[in-house]
Parts: sequence; structure tokens; C-alpha cells
Amino acid sequence: DTGVSQDPRHKITKRGQNVTFRCDPISEHNRLYWYRQTLGQGPEFLTYFQNEAQLEKSRLLSDRFSAERPKGSFSTLEIQRTEQGDSAMYLCASSLPGGSYGYTFGSGTRLTVV
Amino acid sequence: AQTVTQSQPEMSVQEAETVTLSCTYDTSESDYYLFWYKQPPSRQMILVIRQEAYKQQNATENRFSVNFQKAAKSFSLKISDSQLGDAAMYFCASRRGGSQGNLIFGKGTKLSVKP
Repeated sequence: DTGVSQDPRHKITKRGQNVTFRCDPISEHNRLYWYRQTLGQGPEFLTYFQNEAQLEKSRLLSDRFSAERPKGSFSTLEIQRTEQGDSAMYLCASSLPGGSYGYTFGSGTRLTVV
Repeated sequence: AQTVTQSQPEMSVQEAETVTLSCTYDTSESDYYLFWYKQPPSRQMILVIRQEAYKQQNATENRFSVNFQKAAKSFSLKISDSQLGDAAMYFCASRRGGSQGNLIFGKGTKLSVKP
């Protein structure tokens, strides 16, 4: 197992376009989390899954954002009608049940909206 | 709601010296966990150390140790014998106990290590 994988590493898109990111967690981890990190800030929670169930969504996750984890393995995060304010690093993490032992993070997807 | 505050945007330490990074938190939970994460320039977050709030003993991982002051809601990270590879952003985070909840991060402290 090579850890948490995220694809792509970088994405440049024009304002108004849709983008989709993928995250492959550690196989033994049933929890998967999405965070957003802007320059000079700590990661901000977006949403998390336990297996295929989406258990919590942040108020940061507007209607233009949707996340799925259809078979309880990989997850996708889609942003529709991107805005310049969506430019950020999108981090995925996974954990064992409960998450009290900490999360394992991926390298992130850097989104730039031009 | 939980909050995490890191009051030092940047810190600097001489190689082989010791540095302490500060973190305070606020929570109404009695059961919670605290973490320090390191984020090198490659951007992947790495868990440095973890503390369970119900344990009075401060956690230690090799050159990294914490000073957990529960009453003061303080959770500082001490790095001993600093190495060039310790240069990174360091984030303090908290998580409430139980099966739910997620990590809440501070804004981070950028640590520079001078040779």
C-alpha cells in the first residue's frame, strides 16, 4: 500500500468549468475526508465518508460541490461552475474507524481557476 | 465548537538547538485528542505526535515531545536537536472523542532551521 493517492496533482481550469478530483485511500481505512487549504491557512474540513455513506458536510461545501464514494473505496470531489475563489489545495485523508489515531493525508490537488 | 489557535506565524531555530511551538485550543468536550502535523514544502501532511486528553503523561516521539496543560488548554510542541529536515509548516489540530468528529486545524507555524 503506497498511502493516500490523489489525482491530478495540479489542475488549471477556466472560470465556469467543472472539475473532478479523485482520491484513493489506504485500503484498510474505512473513513475518507476532504479538506481545502488556501495559502497561509490550515486545512479546512469539507466532508467525510464512512464507507460509502457521507456522514458530515461543512457549510463551506456549497451547492456547487459534490463528493461521492460509491463503493466505499475511492472518492471523487466535483466542483461545478468553478469560481476564482475555489483556487486552493484540495487534500484527501483517510483513517481507521473513528479517526482518533490521526489521519493519513495525500499530497493534494492544486486547483487554479483562471 | 472546537477552535485551535497558533499564535506564532513563523519561528526560527539554529540547527541542533531546541524550539517550542505554541498551540492553544478551546473545546467543551471532555474527551478529545490533540495532534501535531508537519507539512514540508512537498505539501503532504505527516503526523508528528498525538495526545489523548485523558492521559496526563505528555506524549513523546523521539526528538518531538509535547507539553500538554489541560487546564490552560495549551498543547505546545518541543523539537529537540533540530535538524534541517525539520523545516516545514507545523499544524496543531484537535478532534473530539467518540466515533464522530473530524480534525480541526490551526493556521500553522512556519519553522525555519538555520545551519
